[in-house]
Amino acid sequence: NAGVMQNPRHLVRRRGQEARLRCSPMKGHSHVYWYRQLPEEGLKFMVYLQKENIIDESGMPKERFSAEFPKEGPSILRIQQVVRGDSAAYFCASSPVDEQFFGPGTRLTVL
Amino acid sequence: KQEVTQIPAALSVPEGENLVLNCSFTDSAIYNLQWFRQDPGKGLTSLLLIQSSQREQTSGRLNASLDKSSGRSTLYIAASQPGDSATYLCARGGNFNKFYFGSGTKLNVKP
Repeated sequence: NAGVMQNPRHLVRRRGQEARLRCSPMKGHSHVYWYRQLPEEGLKFMVYLQKENIIDESGMPKERFSAEFPKEGPSILRIQQVVRGDSAAYFCASSPVDEQFFGPGTRLTVL
Repeated sequence: KQEVTQIPAALSVPEGENLVLNCSFTDSAIYNLQWFRQDPGKGLTSLLLIQSSQREQTSGRLNASLDKSSGRSTLYIAASQPGDSATYLCARGGNFNKFYFGSGTKLNVKP
């Protein structure tokens, strides 16, 4: 059973561009969580999704950020019109019920 | 406010020493508590998960305890090794099992 997969591992964008981060959960896991780790800060919850449903998006910035977990395919975290403050490591976790298993993260750098 | 605090922020010990990492949280309505390690530039590796109904979990040289009444968890590492050097994160599971993370304890085990 492969672990949680995230791609790309590193992403460089210029201000104003769009960033798309992908997360494939572990087989059999129906719960997906996204977290953000800003430089020198702890991980902060962003959004919790199940297939085709956003369950809790209380940690998502109100603008420019969106997430989806379609019936087929990976979960996508989308950041529109990126700014330098979006530079961070974005981690995805999947869970069968309780324990969360994390992917290697996508490190986004905004120039 | 859902705060998770980890003390100390950094710890340096000689190889072979037993050590304790501390985690405290403000909300006693805890769903579960999970300890992770994070190596520089890497993702999170799950170490131990303690359900709210449990008081401790053990895996190899690691033992984690949970005291909901006092809002504390400890991670005990026996006979530390240089390979244990990493940042250790505790995460409190709340509503929808979304995690609230502490800022971590950066451990350095000197050979």
